[in-house]
Amino acid sequence: EAGVTQSPTHLIKTRGQQATLRCSPISGHTSVYWYQQALGLGLQFLLWYDEGEERNRGNFPPRFSGRQFPNYSSELNVNALELEDSALYLCASSKGSGSMTDTQYFGPGTRLTVL
Amino acid sequence: SQKIEQNSEALNIQEGKTATLTCNYTNYSPAYLQWYRQDPGRGPVFLLLIRENEKEKRKERLKVTFDTTLKQSLFHITASQPADSATYLCALTYSSASKIIFGSGTRLSIRP
Repeated sequence: EAGVTQSPTHLIKTRGQQATLRCSPISGHTSVYWYQQALGLGLQFLLWYDEGEERNRGNFPPRFSGRQFPNYSSELNVNALELEDSALYLCASSKGSGSMTDTQYFGPGTRLTVL
Repeated sequence: SQKIEQNSEALNIQEGKTATLTCNYTNYSPAYLQWYRQDPGRGPVFLLLIRENEKEKRKERLKVTFDTTLKQSLFHITASQPADSATYLCALTYSSASKIIFGSGTRLSIRP
C-alpha cells in the first residue's frame, strides 16, 4: 500500500511570491491534515480537510489556504511569502471518521525555503 | 492558551536501560494523548494513543501513562536499543476532537 506522498520535495521561493504544495493521501483515506514544522517550534496544525470540506484550521493568517479535491488529494497555498514561512510542511491522512483522534499517517514533507 | 512541554530537548541513554520521556500540559486536560516518533528528514509515525480515562497503555517495549491530576504523560521505552534513537513527540486532542496540539519533541539518543 502506497503511503502519503507530497510534492515537491523541496521548494525555493522569494519573499512575496506564492507557493503551492501538494499531497496525495493513502488510498481509502478521506481526511487530510497540513502541518508546519519550523526549526525549534514543533509541529503546528494548519488545516484539516475531510470529504472536500475544511473542518478546522490552526492559528495561521488567511494567506495560508488550501483545498481538497474530489479524489481526496489536497493542495496548500501560501500567498505573499515571508521569510518566517521557511519550514517543513507535512501532510497527513486518516480514514476520516470526523475526529482528529484517528491515526494520522504522515508524508515525507515539503521543505519550503523563502529567500 | 494551552501549552505542552516535553521534558528536555535531548536525552542520552545507555543501551538496555529504560528511557522515560515526559509530556506536561497546562490548563484543561485533553481527551486523548498520542505519542509519535520522528526520524530526521521524515514525517512522524504514530506509536500509541491513550484516553483520559485510561491510566496506562502498552505496546511491546513501549508504555504510556496518563495522569490527569499531574497533567502529565510519561512515555517509557524498556530495553532500549540504538534503533530507538529518534525524536519523540506528544500530541493532545481535546474532547471536540477537532484540534491537535503537538509538543516540540524530545530527541532521544541510545548509545551502545
